[in-house]
Amino acid sequence: AQSVTQPDIHITVSEGASLELRCNYSYGATPYLFWYVQSPGQGLQLLLKYFSGDTLVQGIKGFEAEFKRSQSSFNLRKPSVHWSDAAEYFCAVGARSFQKLVFGTGTRLLVSP
Amino acid sequence: NAGVMQNPRHLVRRRGQEARLRCSPMKGHSHVYWYRQLPEEGLKFMVYLQKENIIDESGMPKERFSAEFPKEGPSILRIQQVVRGDSAAYFCASSTDSYNEQFFGPGTRLTVL
Repeated sequence: AQSVTQPDIHITVSEGASLELRCNYSYGATPYLFWYVQSPGQGLQLLLKYFSGDTLVQGIKGFEAEFKRSQSSFNLRKPSVHWSDAAEYFCAVGARSFQKLVFGTGTRLLVSP
Repeated sequence: NAGVMQNPRHLVRRRGQEARLRCSPMKGHSHVYWYRQLPEEGLKFMVYLQKENIIDESGMPKERFSAEFPKEGPSILRIQQVVRGDSAAYFCASSTDSYNEQFFGPGTRLTVL
């Protein structure tokens, strides 16, 4: 069965500092991988996705993620965090068909001045 | 192109009442997914529908919950005889097919008193 682990429940980063959010997945084949962001009271917005090809994926708002098959990881990074990045971030994995996404429990990002 | 629409955005029900949540997918999307987000948790898949067909309902509770996506009109998630444990945010997503990304609506926040 597919599963996603986001080991950090909360992370606090200073504005302007770099960010890395961790995501580990369990899946028997090559997965579809996603990062979504959720602002309070809002729906989910797709930041980026990995289907195949280049393992370094660029997304919106300056985010990127790297797929590492050997580590079963898909960590999200941003070189310089802005106060508006404060939100909850979800990593998700999907099968090659049906797209039944399995989500991690999320990481809440706080940005300090 | 309007995004995924969900209504109502907030719904309050007393125990034992029925809740009906509506989802209008993006234009051109014929695949709909429902997810539930309990407080402080990630999203959990409930059901995947195409027009007039339930494709995968493996995440749906066996009792009290049902979903439909008729030929005309929105997809409906129906919860009969609600209990306090049904209080959650219910998100709908849509896609053009099962191999493409899902776009999420803003969610319906159900509160059961």
